[in-house]
Formats: sequence, structure tokens, C-alpha cells
Amino acid sequence: SQQGEEDPQALSIQEGENATMNCSYKTSINNLQWYRQNSGRGLVHLILIRSNEREKHSGRLRVTLDTSKKSSSLLITASRAADTASYFCATDGGGGYQKVTFGIGTKLQVIP
Amino acid sequence: ETGVTQSPTHLIKTRGQQVTLRCSSQSGHNTVSWYQQALGQGPQFIFQYYREEENGRGNFPPRFSGLQFPNYSSELNVNALELDDSALYLCASSFFDREYEQYFGPGTRLTVT
Repeated sequence: SQQGEEDPQALSIQEGENATMNCSYKTSINNLQWYRQNSGRGLVHLILIRSNEREKHSGRLRVTLDTSKKSSSLLITASRAADTASYFCATDGGGGYQKVTFGIGTKLQVIP
Repeated sequence: ETGVTQSPTHLIKTRGQQVTLRCSSQSGHNTVSWYQQALGQGPQFIFQYYREEENGRGNFPPRFSGLQFPNYSSELNVNALELDDSALYLCASSFFDREYEQYFGPGTRLTVT
């Protein structure tokens, strides 16, 4: 079963605009991560935020985490055509043997 | 690019057949996890191997089985293939208990006809 749900499921923006994707999850976590996937290939790790952190930056990426609402957001600033991909949030520490649980993803299209 | 490799890249099998997928871990990593990703969905955890033994399993039937070898490479075996097994199969390597730092391979696309 999927732990998280990304919102929106699809997003289309113009190059240079900002893209915001949201993720909600159900159980307590240790860490939350965001991954990118190009054209149904392997996942690339973007950024990790720990449960005791509220915000983290990496280049053009900004991630926030609100554990009280069980939600996270990923902001990509000044988007580029190369950012076109699917983005997934993943959580760990939910207990049991599920290890890492992924959401269903947001498909981002950046139009040149 | 990560140091995780998978083979083959693509595979077409017939319902009822058996398939073996292979994964080589990132150098130094001792844990391998396998995921199934159906079209339009997020990856679903199948199982994890550590010290050549299964160390956790998701909601997948016993016809999904695996092996881990002393060099930490791994195989995923699926028996009695069903049409719904068509998916991208991803392996990821990590250090034990540090799944939040796992590195993914490029995946094997399995089509069952």
C-alpha cells in the first residue's frame, strides 16, 4: 500500500516558473525524502528531511515538513525543461517491515 | 549515476513462466531492497535482503522470492507470472538500517503477455 499521496498528480508550468508539489503521509516517520524519476527509469534521490527538521534547501529545491499535519512540500524554483520528470516522496520509520514507503507521485512538465 | 546496475533492461515473458532479475549493489553496500512499480504508480516494497537472508517483506505472495550473494549482489525471482506482474522492477542498495540513503538502479521493465 502507498503511504503517501502527492498532490497534484500532474502539473504543467512554463520554464522559469516555480513548481510546488505536496505530499501527505499517514504514520509517524523518521525521515522523508523526495526522489525524481525520468521516463520510468531509476529513481534519483533529491533531498532528505528528518522528522525534527522543518525546512531544508538544496540548490533550487526547498522542502518543508509539518509533522503535525503529516505533510511535506517540495518547491522547485526557476524551473527548467530538464526538470520535467515524476517526483515522489518517500517515508521511512513507519514501523513494520515496510522499510521505505513511496507515494504515487507528481508528474511535472516544464514547457520551454 | 549510481553504482547500482540491473539486468536485463527489458524482458518479455508469457503468463505462467518464471523470470529472474539481477542486481549489483553499490560498492560497500550490504543491503538490497527490491521494488515493483506499476505504470503510473509509486514503487511498492517487495522485500529486502541483508546477510543473504530476507529482512522484511511487503505485501507480495511467496511466488516472489529472492537471493543475496556473498558479494551482496541479488536476484529477484518470480514464478507463475501473471499479467499484473508487468511493471518496472527496481533494486536499491544501502547500508543496513539506512534505507533512507539507498541508491537505485535503472530498473528492469518486465512485460507479461
